[in-house]
Amino acid sequence: DIQMTQSPSSLSASVGDRVTITCRASQRITKHLNWYHQRPGKAPKLLIYAASSLDGGVPSRFSGSGSETDFTLTISSLQPEDFGVYFCQESYNAPYTFGQGTKLEIK
Amino acid sequence: QVQLQESGPGLVQPSETLSLTCSVSGASISGYHWNWIRQTPGKGLEWIGYIYYSGSSDYNPSLESRVTISVDTSKNQFSLKLTSVTAADTAVYYCVRQPSRDGYTDFFDYWGQGTLVTVSS
Repeated sequence: DIQMTQSPSSLSASVGDRVTITCRASQRITKHLNWYHQRPGKAPKLLIYAASSLDGGVPSRFSGSGSETDFTLTISSLQPEDFGVYFCQESYNAPYTFGQGTKLEIK
Repeated sequence: QVQLQESGPGLVQPSETLSLTCSVSGASISGYHWNWIRQTPGKGLEWIGYIYYSGSSDYNPSLESRVTISVDTSKNQFSLKLTSVTAADTAVYYCVRQPSRDGYTDFFDYWGQGTLVTVSS
C-alpha cells in the first residue's frame, strides 16, 4: 500500500492568513492526489482532485499543487468556516489510502 | 442534488455480520463506482471497497476475506456485508460515490452522512 504522510498534524492560524498543508507519498503517484475537508460530525468534502483541479463550488482561495511524491494544499486567505481536518488521498493504486489528517484551528 | 443515505444496525455482536445499505437519490446508480469507506479515531479513513453498477467489485486486501459489496440497480441501492466482526471494526461507515472527470477516477465526490457501527456484546 502507498503511505501518505501529512504535515503538520495540527496548526492554528488567524483569519486572513495564508495556510499551507503538505502531503508526501511513499512512492511516485504522478498527479493522482486528492484533498478533502471534514468538519466535526460531518462527512469529508471533496476540495481538489488530480492534485490541482478545484471541485465545483469550492472557493478559489483553495489551491493544490505538486506531483509524484510531494503535494501542497494552500488556503490563500483563511476564513472562519475553514476550521476542521484536511485529508489527502492517493488515487494511483488500490487500496486507496488517506493521510492521517491535519487539524486546522482558527485563532 | 445527489444524496446518499446509510442504513443498518448501529450495534453488532462480535463474530456476527455487519450489514449496511446505501440508498442513492438524485442520481442513477448506473455508470458509477460506489464505495464504502470507514473512519476510526485510531486508523483514520480506510477504503473498504467498491462495486460498479454492472456488479464488478474490488476490495481492500486487508478486509477482502470478510467483505462483500453488492448492488441493486432496481432500488438504486448498494450494500456492505462484513463478516466475523470484532471491536476493531467499530467505526463510522460512509457510502461514497466515485466519479469520473475527463478520465480521472478513483476519488470521491458525494458522501453519505455516515453511520456509527459499534461492535460489542
